[in-house]
Amino acid sequence: KQEVTQIPAALSVPEGENLVLNCSFTDSAIYNLQWFRQDPGKGLTSLLLIQSSQREQTSGRLNASLDKSSGRSTLYIAASQPGDSATYLCAVRPRGETSGSRLTFGEGTQLTVNP
Amino acid sequence: NAGVTQTPKFRILKIGQSMTLQCTQDMNHNYMYWYRQDPGMGLKLIYYSVGAGITDKGEVPNGYNVSRSTTEDFPLRLELAAPSQTSVYFCASSLGDTQYFGPGTRLTVL
Repeated sequence: KQEVTQIPAALSVPEGENLVLNCSFTDSAIYNLQWFRQDPGKGLTSLLLIQSSQREQTSGRLNASLDKSSGRSTLYIAASQPGDSATYLCAVRPRGETSGSRLTFGEGTQLTVNP
Repeated sequence: NAGVTQTPKFRILKIGQSMTLQCTQDMNHNYMYWYRQDPGMGLKLIYYSVGAGITDKGEVPNGYNVSRSTTEDFPLRLELAAPSQTSVYFCASSLGDTQYFGPGTRLTVL
C-alpha cells in the first residue's frame, strides 16, 4: 500500500528566505506526483505536476523535483512571501491507474512566512 | 465558470441522522471524487466516478453512498451519521491529470 509522508509538519520562516518542503513515498511505481496548496477553509489548488519520466517542474518561484528511485520529491520556494503562507500537500498517482486519477496524499506541511 | 461547488459549507448532525452533501461541476469533467480530510491529515478517497452511471469505492467507503445520474452532479450520502464521520469533505473533478477541488463541507457529528 502506498504511503506518502511529508516533513516537516509545520515550518515558520522570515520573509525572503528560500525554503524546501519534503515529500517521500514508499512505492516508486507512480504515474505522477502533484504538489497542492491549501488555504484555510478553502479547497486545494494544484501547483505543479511532475510525470514519472520527468525530474523537475518549475512555475514562477516554485520548483518541484522528483527522484522516483529514492521515493522523494521536494518543493523549493524561492524568496518566500507572506502570501505563500498555506498548507502544502503532495499526492502521488499510482502507475497503471486506469480509472480516473486516484491520488494518495501526504499529511501536508503548514508553512508560515513572517513579514 | 463556477468550477466545483459544494453545499452546505457547514453542518452539524446528531448521531444516527442522515444527510446528503451536494457537489456540482460545470466543466464537463467525466471524473469526480469525494475525499475526507481529518485534522492534520491528508485527504482520503471515499468514492469516485468515471462518468454518469459509474461509481466505485475508494480507500474509506464504509458509511457512505454515492450516485452519479448526470455528468454535473455527484452527491455523497451519509445514512447513519457517526462521530467518526466528523471531518471536512471535499469534492473534486478532473478531465486529465489535474483535479479541481470544491471549497469543502465541514461536518460535525455529535
